[in-house]
Amino acid sequence: GQQVMQIPQYQHVQEGEDFTTYCNSSTTLSNIQWYKQRPGGHPVFLIQLVKSGEVKKQKRLTFQFGEAKKNSSLHITATQTTDVGTYFCAGGVGNNRKLIWGLGTSLAVNP
Amino acid sequence: DAGVTQSPTHLIKTRGQHVTLRCSPISGHKSVSWYQQVLGQGPQFIFQYYEKEERGRGNFPDRFSARQFPNYSSELNVNALLLGDSALYLCASSLLGDSYEQYFGPGTRLTVT
Repeated sequence: GQQVMQIPQYQHVQEGEDFTTYCNSSTTLSNIQWYKQRPGGHPVFLIQLVKSGEVKKQKRLTFQFGEAKKNSSLHITATQTTDVGTYFCAGGVGNNRKLIWGLGTSLAVNP
Repeated sequence: DAGVTQSPTHLIKTRGQHVTLRCSPISGHKSVSWYQQVLGQGPQFIFQYYEKEERGRGNFPDRFSARQFPNYSSELNVNALLLGDSALYLCASSLLGDSYEQYFGPGTRLTVT
């Protein structure tokens, strides 16, 4: 079946270090979305990528969508304690009526 | 403007009972999606509704049903509750029916005992 694998599952970093989470799909995606969920909270939309090879930046966050539209990455430069949370990717499949979610990468930042 | 609202916030039910969860989308949003999130896992897609019609369904049994009303609010119904139905149920609204950016509500924490 359609799956979206996300690695790593957990990541501990020292404040100031960089962080990257990767998302890989077994099938071609129509788009990829990234969400952040703080502990005890709900997912919050970060960004959507649609085009093959697309790269978008939000301050210290850089999002990439692979050329084959099967993988994506989120890179955070110089992490801060406010970056703590679980980062989910969600890929659109078929006619966009269904999002397949990854299991998330939980980020812990040591001050 | 108010965000996505869900009620109730918490709910405790016993096995075999049924439950109705409610969601009001952001004003102007016509699509509502329902997700189940078990602790430590990502959200699992249950349903999507757009303009009062079901547009997508995840791999959930027929005990799960939903509907969308003319004012775009939505209900999720679960019959014959099982212990494994204990989870956070999230509602997300989006402007259109396709997988545009989704705005999540705070969720309903369901505990089945």
